[in-house]
Amino acid sequence: NAGVMQNPRHLVRRRGQEARLRCSPMKGHSHVYWYRQLPEEGLKFMVYLQKENIIDESGMPKERFSAEFPKEGPSILRIQQVVRGDSAAYFCASSPPSGGSEKLFFGSGTQLSVL
Amino acid sequence: GQQVMQIPQYQHVQEGEDFTTYCNSSTTLSNIQWYKQRPGGHPVFLIQLVKSGEVKKQKRLTFQFGEAKKNSSLHITATQTTDVGTYFCAGPTTSGTYKYIFGTGTRLKVLA
Repeated sequence: NAGVMQNPRHLVRRRGQEARLRCSPMKGHSHVYWYRQLPEEGLKFMVYLQKENIIDESGMPKERFSAEFPKEGPSILRIQQVVRGDSAAYFCASSPPSGGSEKLFFGSGTQLSVL
Repeated sequence: GQQVMQIPQYQHVQEGEDFTTYCNSSTTLSNIQWYKQRPGGHPVFLIQLVKSGEVKKQKRLTFQFGEAKKNSSLHITATQTTDVGTYFCAGPTTSGTYKYIFGTGTRLKVLA
């Protein structure tokens, strides 16, 4: 039973390029969360999605960031025109469809470095 | 918005000493979860507390949920080097979307 899969593990982009981070939730999980973590800091909530729906994107910057979780395929966190301040670890987590009472299973994260 | 704070931010202990981290939410929580993140790793679920005043134990770890369901604590007895990492509490928001808000974390270092 595969866990939450994130790829790539490491992503290097130059300023102005686009970054696409992928997350495949655990089998049977229909809820996906994205978190951002700066070195030696906490996990900052970005967005919460269910299949084909964005439930809560209150933690995501209004510009340059977008997320989707299509009916088929992984969830994608997309960052356009990256800047140095976007450098961070981005973690995806998934949970079963029970809403607020299930534990989160995290992927290994994508470390984004912007040159 | 809802905030979840943890103290201390950092803790260095000698191996064998005890360790406690405290978690405080600005709002009442329906449940609280604890996660551990090893250096360079990802958060891993430890436990969930649901009832007011609940206490749960996992070997050397003791978790408590406050009576008002706004605070929680994690106590580790006789720390070992394998306990090194950052401990986060997390709770779902009480309005609407049930997104999980994580605490600021406590980074534990254990000196052998």
